[in-house]
Amino acid sequence: AQSVTQPDIHITVSEGASLELRCNYSYGATPYLFWYVQSPGQGLQLLLKYFSGDTLVQGIKGFEAEFKRSQSSFNLRKPSVHWSDAAEYFCAVGRVSGTYKYIFGTGTRLKVLA
Amino acid sequence: GAGVSQSPRYKVAKRGQDVALRCDPISGHVSLFWYQQALGQGPEFLTYFQNEAQLDKSGLPSDRFFAERPEGSVSTLKIQRTQQEDSAVYLCASSPLVGMNTEAFFGQGTRLTVV
Repeated sequence: AQSVTQPDIHITVSEGASLELRCNYSYGATPYLFWYVQSPGQGLQLLLKYFSGDTLVQGIKGFEAEFKRSQSSFNLRKPSVHWSDAAEYFCAVGRVSGTYKYIFGTGTRLKVLA
Repeated sequence: GAGVSQSPRYKVAKRGQDVALRCDPISGHVSLFWYQQALGQGPEFLTYFQNEAQLDKSGLPSDRFFAERPEGSVSTLKIQRTQQEDSAVYLCASSPLVGMNTEAFFGQGTRLTVV
């Protein structure tokens, strides 16, 4: 069955440090891949998406992600974290077996130290 | 409105009570999704509408869950005879195109607590 794994439940970084959040997926074909961010009490906001083409994708708020087919990964990166980036981040897979659903990972909660 | 609106934001229900959760999508959006997010988990798909047609309801956990979008705009998720395991945040999302392969806009969710 298709699945999404985010191995890090919590990550703490200092403001200004670089960030990488991991995401691995299990899917037979090349899926549609997404990263969403959820701030407390807020809905999910799309950071970036990958469908095809260039495997390095730029998103909003200075985030980028790289699709690596050989590793079934879609890791999210940011070169310099801001305190306002503290939130929960979800990786998701779309186009699952011809359905309309997304499958979300369990999320990574990011804490930023001043 | 400017975004996806869900009401109520919070709902406390006694076990066995029926509840109805409302979603107002962005005007003109074709696609509408319902997701269930349990505490500490990622959202899990419940159902998908394309206009008024419910094309996928494979994620509804039991026949106690029912969703409708009769005029292709506002949607209601109804849960009958609520159980404690139904406690979760219910998220609605809409998208201007078919499916979710473009940006989907999420509401803030309805937090349901069954006591």
